[in-house]
Amino acid sequence: GAGVSQSPRYKVAKRGQDVALRCDPISGHVSLFWYQQALGQGPEFLTYFQNEAQLDKSGLPSDRFFAERPEGSVSTLKIQRTQQEDSAVYLCASFSVRAAQETQYFGPGTRLLVL
Amino acid sequence: SQKIEQNSEALNIQEGKTATLTCNYTNYSPAYLQWYRQDPGRGPVFLLLIRENEKEKRKERLKVTFDTTLKQSLFHITASQPADSATYLCALDNQAGTALIFGKGTTLSVSS
Repeated sequence: GAGVSQSPRYKVAKRGQDVALRCDPISGHVSLFWYQQALGQGPEFLTYFQNEAQLDKSGLPSDRFFAERPEGSVSTLKIQRTQQEDSAVYLCASFSVRAAQETQYFGPGTRLLVL
Repeated sequence: SQKIEQNSEALNIQEGKTATLTCNYTNYSPAYLQWYRQDPGRGPVFLLLIRENEKEKRKERLKVTFDTTLKQSLFHITASQPADSATYLCALDNQAGTALIFGKGTTLSVSS
């Protein structure tokens, strides 16, 4: 594809509801990242996949957050029992190791608002 | 743990002037440092990467310097234009090499 896509772009959830956020990385990119960006802050790392393997999940804020990438392409970030502090923009990024550049290509993000 | 500071939350300059943004880091010696641009409602877009053994990198009107002794990077936009108005983020690789650590960003406003 032309770039990283994410869906939905906006999500409003009631506190306690479960949500699932989807990321379609650039075709062929083996590395995929999820970041959380609060208003006025820089993105903060959540988790990292290489193909289908989740190699680093040290940034996930609680066990309510779960990410998967079962076939090494599309990834889903799931948040269970959402809380108001989960309100943020969730960004997905991918990059290709073969490009010999450590630059990450970001999607537009999903803006989550928990009421 | 690694810490990054972009010491200006906002920078206002006039069109045609050079904008200089600062990024300082502590507790770490990164292999490289990157600068990204982020517009409202969009994801960050990569601008420049500079490695620890490079002093300076240029791309069109952009210039980045990297001083590993001072633990500082400077990002310059020359002949600034209103279209350069955006938030600029500095980012370092984490020690594990599995993610980027971002600063809070500096919001640049260029007035005509």
